[in-house]
This record gives sequence, structure tokens and C-alpha cells, in this order.
Amino acid sequence: NAGVTQTPKFRILKIGQSMTLQCTQDMNHNYMYWYRQDPGMGLKLIYYSVGAGITDKGEVPNGYNVSRSTTEDFPLRLELAAPSQTSVYFCASSSGQGPTGGYTFGSGTRLTVV
Amino acid sequence: AQSVTQPDIHITVSEGASLELRCNYSYGATPYLFWYVQSPGQGLQLLLKYFSGDTLVQGIKGFEAEFKRSQSSFNLRKPSVHWSDAAEYFCAVGAGGSYIPTFGRGTSLIVHP
Repeated sequence: NAGVTQTPKFRILKIGQSMTLQCTQDMNHNYMYWYRQDPGMGLKLIYYSVGAGITDKGEVPNGYNVSRSTTEDFPLRLELAAPSQTSVYFCASSSGQGPTGGYTFGSGTRLTVV
Repeated sequence: AQSVTQPDIHITVSEGASLELRCNYSYGATPYLFWYVQSPGQGLQLLLKYFSGDTLVQGIKGFEAEFKRSQSSFNLRKPSVHWSDAAEYFCAVGAGGSYIPTFGRGTSLIVHP
């Protein structure tokens, strides 16, 4: 059981470049989330999805886009990368309505923008 | 909207000593409460959760947490810390009906031999 898989694990981007962070889960969870984690700041929600075809903004969506064409996949797109987007990105999923099941997290993508 | 505060950025304990990590939340009703642990270079792992019922919750790895409504707290405890417990610990709160918990800033646990 793979859980939540994120690729790549590490990436260095130049300012202005674009990239897609991949996230796949094999637990048939309807809810999926993207967070960024900066030192001492905890986790900030970027985007989330409650099912295929449905996405919504979180706390810090600027500079990012998402799509959810299938239950399994929830890619995060960075357009025109900026140094402020240097961070560790986590994808997570949860089952059911409400956070009763807790989240299952991927192992993260460490992104550096130079 | 809910919020959560972890007042301690770092906690240092000796191996074998007891541990208590503090978490305070702000929400009008009974929230969903969680503790997660993050080992270096890893994602977050759920330690335990509280929704209702018994206010003392047992989790994995020998951790427990107690919900105290009067103090709006959900502190994490462990009677005897092991060196492998060194990690970052996050408290999270989810409001009833919401599926998006809010995370605290985390507490870094350092364990001395």
C-alpha cells in the first residue's frame, strides 16, 4: 500500500521557470490537499480538492494552480517560479467527510528557486 | 475560524524523562484535535486524534493527549522519552463540519542522551 506518493523529492528551479509537482494516492480518498512548509511557520494550505473536478483555494494560493481530473491525482503547478516559493511542499489526502480520519501525508518535495 | 497555538518552539529533554508538549486552540464548539509527528526529511504521521468521548486519548508510540475544554488545551504527553522521539510535533484543530484542519507552527523536540 503506497499511500500518498509525491514526485520529485528535490528540485531546483530558476526564477521564471515553471514546473508541476505530482501527487498520487491509492487509497481512494476523495479529499486531497497541498501544503507548503516553511521553517517555524508550520503548514500553510495552498489548494484543496473534495473530489474529482472540484478544487478550491486555501490560505496561500497565489502563484500556484491545481487540477483534479481523477480521484488519484492532484498535481500542483508553479508558474513563473519566484524565490518566495522556495519551500517544502506536502500533499495529503483524507477519507470521509470532515477530518475524522486524519490525513495521510506524502514525504514531500523540497523546492529551491534561485 | 479556528486557530491553534503551540507556545514552545523548542523543547529539550533527557532520554527517559517525561514529556509534555503544549497546544491551545481557539474555537467556539468542540473541535477535532490532532497531534502529528514529523521526523527529519519525512512527511507528517498521525499520532492521535480526539473527536468526542473520553478526554484522555491514547496514540501510537506510547503517546497520549488530554483534552481540557476549560483550558482550551490538548497537550501531548509521554512518560519516558526515547532518543528516537526527537522530531517536530504539530498540533492541529479542525472545526466541526470542516474538513480542513489548521496546523500549529510546531514544536521541535530535542532529546539528550
